[in-house]
Amino acid sequence: QQQVKQSPQSLIVQKGGIPIINCAYENTAFDYFPWYQQFPGKGPALLIAIRPDVSEKKEGRFTISFNKSAKQFSLHIMDSQPGDSATYFCAANSDKLIFGKGTMLLVSP
Amino acid sequence: DAGVTQSPTHLIKTRGQQVTLRCSPKSGHDTVSWYQQALGQGPQFIFQYYEEEERQRGNFPDRFSGHQFPNYSSELNVNALLLGDSALYLCASSLGTPRETQYFGPGTRLLVL
Repeated sequence: QQQVKQSPQSLIVQKGGIPIINCAYENTAFDYFPWYQQFPGKGPALLIAIRPDVSEKKEGRFTISFNKSAKQFSLHIMDSQPGDSATYFCAANSDKLIFGKGTMLLVSP
Repeated sequence: DAGVTQSPTHLIKTRGQQVTLRCSPKSGHDTVSWYQQALGQGPQFIFQYYEEEERQRGNFPDRFSGHQFPNYSSELNVNALLLGDSALYLCASSLGTPRETQYFGPGTRLLVL
């Protein structure tokens, strides 16, 4: 019940494409859903986050869609760039952060 | 404004040894959480410190212990190191309740031989 399931494991898109990463959870006590971006050898950096009273949140080229009834949320990256190539983690928080296993994104030039 | 800092950046130990990792939280933050990230995996929650007390703990053995100092900095100690303890150890800081945004440091890469 504490798991966060993330898919796909890896993703390749062309520059300008819109990669979509999906996450699902079971624990209804989760009330905060951040996405982190991690480059090799670095710590995760907060990208964008959403609370369950909102169905969508946009920050620049990054959008989170949230479906509370389905217990699913997703990250969309608009106009993706080669510099977006990184590993992306979804997470869910109640009293502690639970992470998905990550999605390795490659944006080809 | 300094972000979360961790030391050392890299560390090599042998099985059975003990290790201490250090973390300074982001300015203004009072809560420190520690995570273990194995290669190719997401971070796994170890424990969280607030007001110098362990507030939450994940599914890690007692070999993993920690401490928070009055200036909010924190240490992670691991005793009797195993090969499987090789990982990136991440510290994250936040303000107040467990539900607030956590900001991560660069991590300490630990290799156990």
